[in-house]
Amino acid sequence: SQQGEEDPQALSIQEGENATMNCSYKTSINNLQWYRQNSGRGLVHLILIRSNEREKHSGRLRVTLDTSKKSSSLLITASRAADTASYFCATDARAQGGSEKLVFGKGTKLTVNP
Amino acid sequence: DAGVIQSPRHEVTEMGQEVTLRCKPISGHDYLFWYRQTMMRGLELLIYFNNNVPIDDSGMPEDRFSAKMPNASFSTLKIQPSEPRDSAVYFCASSFWAGSRPQHFGDGTRLSIL
Repeated sequence: SQQGEEDPQALSIQEGENATMNCSYKTSINNLQWYRQNSGRGLVHLILIRSNEREKHSGRLRVTLDTSKKSSSLLITASRAADTASYFCATDARAQGGSEKLVFGKGTKLTVNP
Repeated sequence: DAGVIQSPRHEVTEMGQEVTLRCKPISGHDYLFWYRQTMMRGLELLIYFNNNVPIDDSGMPEDRFSAKMPNASFSTLKIQPSEPRDSAVYFCASSFWAGSRPQHFGDGTRLSIL
């Protein structure tokens, strides 16, 4: 079953602009992760935020987590053409009895135009 | 360090044939996951192993699918007989203790069943 749902499904911006992607989920979690997938490649882990954290930074990435709203956002600042990719959130399936499993959303396709 | 290695990268075969996908996880990782990615259903977990033992195969679509992990450095996903609806990209991923650790993905096998 789908746990995380990203929004928007697609986003097109100009180089230098900021990109914000959102993720909503349905059940309680231990942590939430964001991944990037370039065309024709596997997913690459970007950042993990635990349920007791509200915000986390890594370089140009900023992730927030609101457990009361069951939502997270990924902000990419000063975007570059190389950021063009699909971005996925993934939640652990703690509520479904399997904390080892990750459940992925369908992703946001980001296009950064030069 | 070598990442997760999958082979073949592409496979085209006719309906009814047996298909074997291979995965070499990152050395030292004790979890291995098999996923399937399609446009319609997104990224789905098929099965995962811990210390070479299958833990959860609830995502395996039907008896035509089987997976093995004979040792810590090798896993296979087999489809027999294959059907056109099995066409997808199949990913293998590995990690340390899974729930709070990033998963490392291979670049996938693009499978086309004619």
